[in-house]
Amino acid sequence: QVQLQQSGAELVKPGSSVKISCKASGYTFTSYDMHWIKQQPGNGLEWIGWIYPGNGNTKYNQKFNGKATLTADKSSSTAYMQLSSLTSEDSAVYFCARGARWDYGGGFAYWGQGTLVTVSS
Amino acid sequence: NIVMTQSPKSMSISVGDRVTMNCKASQNVYNNIAWYQQKPGQSPKLLIYYASNRYNGVPDRFTGSGYGTDFTLTINSVQAEDAAFYYCQRIYNSPNTFGAGTKLELK
Repeated sequence: QVQLQQSGAELVKPGSSVKISCKASGYTFTSYDMHWIKQQPGNGLEWIGWIYPGNGNTKYNQKFNGKATLTADKSSSTAYMQLSSLTSEDSAVYFCARGARWDYGGGFAYWGQGTLVTVSS
Repeated sequence: NIVMTQSPKSMSISVGDRVTMNCKASQNVYNNIAWYQQKPGQSPKLLIYYASNRYNGVPDRFTGSGYGTDFTLTINSVQAEDAAFYYCQRIYNSPNTFGAGTKLELK
């Protein structure tokens, strides 16, 4: 069965960077986009971008250009998101989710459990 | 950039009622809309894709409709377990923008 297992909660200092992971199993990792979504406490969902692990292509929400960097390791079926120059505004739960146009029109049928990132000195 | 506007922001409904919530896209998205349900502390769950197609296992009391810029999610005979946030999302093409959500509370 499809599973997306995300790394654990992070407590990080302002100005630093953090890299969170999303390990995929139960499907061909290189055949689906991996999307990342931000959810601040009490707020809605914000789409960050996607990476296609098959060739490393990426697409970002303009708002996250320079903030988020998406990568993928085909050998371990793991997608990564690095967030840089962290501020309190980056404190949020971050989700990974699988998507593909030919699979439910690109709707996100599978989600990770979320990774809480807290930015605090 | 495309903007997805959901209304109302919240609604309070009794079990057994019929509820309708709306999602308006700032430009034509054809039928490229998904709806999600999210309960506190959980990941969102896909309910509807391509505006009106129910995802596997979603109860048939959930119905999506619309095309172009105006979309609706209807829940017939709301159940207690339907209390949640509901989000629409533009799919198929990026940016895959979400709406701000509608909170459904049960009286």
